[in-house]
Amino acid sequence: AQRVTQPEKLLSVFKGAPVELKCNYSYSGSPELFWYVQYSRQRLQLLLRHISRESIKGFTADLNKGETSFHLKKPFAQEEDSAMYYCALQTGANNLFFGTGTRLTVIP
Amino acid sequence: GAVVSQHPSRVICKSGTSVKIECRSLDFQATTMFWYRQFPKQSLMLMATSNEGSKATYEQGVEKDKFLINHASLTLSTLTVTSAHPEDSSFYICSATTQENMNTEAFFGQGTRLTVV
Repeated sequence: AQRVTQPEKLLSVFKGAPVELKCNYSYSGSPELFWYVQYSRQRLQLLLRHISRESIKGFTADLNKGETSFHLKKPFAQEEDSAMYYCALQTGANNLFFGTGTRLTVIP
Repeated sequence: GAVVSQHPSRVICKSGTSVKIECRSLDFQATTMFWYRQFPKQSLMLMATSNEGSKATYEQGVEKDKFLINHASLTLSTLTVTSAHPEDSSFYICSATTQENMNTEAFFGQGTRLTVV
């Protein structure tokens, strides 16, 4: 069965420091992985997906099939990055399975 | 990006009554809509997938007679929590996608906080 694990519920970093939000997955098929973000009082929205290999708002995430990981990284955190981040695994046509989320706080 | 509107944002109901939650895609036709439930401090759990004009597909452990889903048009899906009980209190979120965006991006509603008293 599919599973998405985000080991850190809370993560605090200082502004300008690097940040890494961890995500590991378990899935027998070929994984499609996403990061979704929810800013305060806003709805959940897509941040990035691994197949596009893009950088959004300075964030990147690389799919490591050997380690079954899809960690989200940013070299220099900004205050506006404070939000709830969810890693998600897609198993079918947009059937998303979410991790428990990590609340990132960037300290000024 | 595409907009999905969910209504109501908050609802309080008495135990034993039914509550309907609406999910609308405002500027696109949603061929598929998804309903999630989120318990406090837990992740979003997929409840069911609904395609326009057909019966919803429920995830294991979700009672289809308890959580009635209707997707009568390409812009509207409804979730009705029937004979609600306090344990149904939760945060319900819908998402929608299009045939063109299938496998790329889901657009989420703002969620509905249901409290059953």
